[in-house]
Amino acid sequence: AQTVTQSQPEMSVQEAETVTLSCTYDTSESDYYLFWYKQPPSRQMILVIRQEAYKQQNATENRFSVNFQKAAKSFSLKISDSQLGDAAMYFCAYGQIQGAQKLVFGQGTRLTINP
Amino acid sequence: DTAVSQTPKYLVTQMGNDKSIKCEQNLGHDTMYWYKQDSKKFLKIMFSYNNKELIINETVPNRFSPKSPDKAHLNLHINSLELGDSAVYFCASSQHSRLQLGIQYFGPGTRLLVL
Repeated sequence: AQTVTQSQPEMSVQEAETVTLSCTYDTSESDYYLFWYKQPPSRQMILVIRQEAYKQQNATENRFSVNFQKAAKSFSLKISDSQLGDAAMYFCAYGQIQGAQKLVFGQGTRLTINP
Repeated sequence: DTAVSQTPKYLVTQMGNDKSIKCEQNLGHDTMYWYKQDSKKFLKIMFSYNNKELIINETVPNRFSPKSPDKAHLNLHINSLELGDSAVYFCASSQHSRLQLGIQYFGPGTRLLVL
């Protein structure tokens, strides 16, 4: 069974600075998806970024980018120029391609932005 | 305009009662899910339906019964509610295509409190 681990329960960063959230996962599959979802206090789950395992190029979405290391099974999220609105819980998730497409989530990292 | 909607958003009830949570998506997706987020914010898949057919049924007590009347709706009925059922329940949907594979769109969540 796949597992996802986020080893940082909480992180904080100064506004406008850069922060990196860590995620590792375990799978025996060679093709899969990885995601970062954001959950602000409103509770809504918002997709931040998506990476396809067969693509070596790291995904980027504006200020958000990932460092995908397939061999190491590592998938970290970098947030540049942090803004107050980035404060939220961030969840790393694994999505399998074959069979049932459930998401397996990590425990989450609570990100605080200091003004 | 809401892509994935859930009703109600909040539900407070007594132990032993039976309650239902409704979910509707207007994205034309063929797969819908129920996730449970516990008090520690951990998100776990409960059920998944593809075109009204149950495809994922994790180790969930029999008191939980999902029902999909059509592919745009997935309801969750809970019998004999227990204190441990208190959580936030998220509905999600996705489309089974290589282009969209893996991306799940979440509803706003239903916070259930069992007293």
